[in-house]
Amino acid sequence: SQKIEQNSEALNIQEGKTATLTCNYTNYSPAYLQWYRQDPGRGPVFLLLIRENEKEKRKERLKVTFDTTLKQSLFHITASQPADSATYLCALANDYKLSFGAGTTVTVRA
Amino acid sequence: DTGVSQDPRHKITKRGQNVTFRCDPISEHNRLYWYRQTLGQGPEFLTYFQNEAQLEKSRLLSDRFSAERPKGSFSTLEIQRTEQGDSAMYLCASSLSGPSSGANVLTFGAGSRLTVL
Repeated sequence: SQKIEQNSEALNIQEGKTATLTCNYTNYSPAYLQWYRQDPGRGPVFLLLIRENEKEKRKERLKVTFDTTLKQSLFHITASQPADSATYLCALANDYKLSFGAGTTVTVRA
Repeated sequence: DTGVSQDPRHKITKRGQNVTFRCDPISEHNRLYWYRQTLGQGPEFLTYFQNEAQLEKSRLLSDRFSAERPKGSFSTLEIQRTEQGDSAMYLCASSLSGPSSGANVLTFGAGSRLTVL
């Protein structure tokens, strides 16, 4: 069966450092992969999308890589700020359906 | 457009009661989704509509759950004879599909939190 795994432990980092989150998947060949941010009590908010034929995507302080051979995506938050504290979800997609990982909670200390 | 709206935001009910949630998607979006999320887990797919047609329903969804999207606009999710295991956040999302719309990016509502006592 399809499986999506994200860092199981929460990530605590110092402001200004880079946070690196991992998303691994098995039994899946997604056309693209997305990252969402979720704050407590709120719905997820879309951040970035990367397609299967792309290696890297950047948006401001965010960077995503996608390795379809390793079946892995890495999500980086550079120059982290306390406002970046949230849960980050990866989602794999084919056509209309998105399947989500459990998320990784990031806390950035001032 | 104010995004995806969900109502109510919170619902507390007793076991055995029926509950209904409403979702108003972004008006030009033709796709609508319901997901369920429990603490510490990611959103779990429940069902999907393309316009007014319900095209997929998760096998995890029991017969007590039913969703509708009349006229391809708002949607309702009803849970009959609620059980304590139904306690969760119910998330609605919408998206636009079409030849020029690109990849399927979901816009989520704030969710409806259900507590079954």
